[in-house]
Amino acid sequence: DSGVTQTPKHLITATGQRVTLRCSPRSGDLSVYWYQQSLDQGLQFLIQYYNGEERAKGNILERFSAQQFPDLHSELNLSSLELGDSALYFCASSALSQGDNEQFFGPGTRLTVL
Amino acid sequence: AQKVTQAQTEISVVEKEDVTLDCVYETRDTTYYLFWYKQPPSGELVFLIRRNSFDEQNEISGRYSWNFQKSTSSFNFTITASQVVDSAVYFCALSEGDTGFQKLVFGTGTRLLVSP
Repeated sequence: DSGVTQTPKHLITATGQRVTLRCSPRSGDLSVYWYQQSLDQGLQFLIQYYNGEERAKGNILERFSAQQFPDLHSELNLSSLELGDSALYFCASSALSQGDNEQFFGPGTRLTVL
Repeated sequence: AQKVTQAQTEISVVEKEDVTLDCVYETRDTTYYLFWYKQPPSGELVFLIRRNSFDEQNEISGRYSWNFQKSTSSFNFTITASQVVDSAVYFCALSEGDTGFQKLVFGTGTRLLVSP
């Protein structure tokens, strides 16, 4: 158990809908990262937050947004869903925002768009 | 641009065989970090090891060992006396240090199947 929690575990929804994925980092970790794992794209970095502020953006679509709250949990919002958004979404956390520290991953949320 | 290549898509071995998973990386940064993660059938990503670019010492942890060679931009992972529980997808990842941000760039993964 990495200490990172993600809810829900599974999510099934329809095209055009909007969903919110939630992540709680390990105790004491200030940095949260979101990754998408799909068969087409592999594991891709989406976005990073550190202590409430956005620090880095990767291949995140405009339909997707995220935020980190004062209690350090984070939410990833996916809207106008398309079939291609079906993937495993991981949240990871680390103590720092940079440097020599590893990221610990949550169990993931499997999103299926029908 | 940073890139990680895991040329081996799938490897099948019989229990107790040794197996090496290859990882080749590309980066222009002088400071960078290399990682290996394991993804068992249950789906979670399990951290295995982190190496920074200034530390070329090989590391051994039980049946696992890692060989980091800057000259060939490789960070290979060897499992000695493989076991069925080692069956998983293994990912090599790179994080560049000079920008100050720590996104991980993953390879495409190597699926290891260990049969009894």
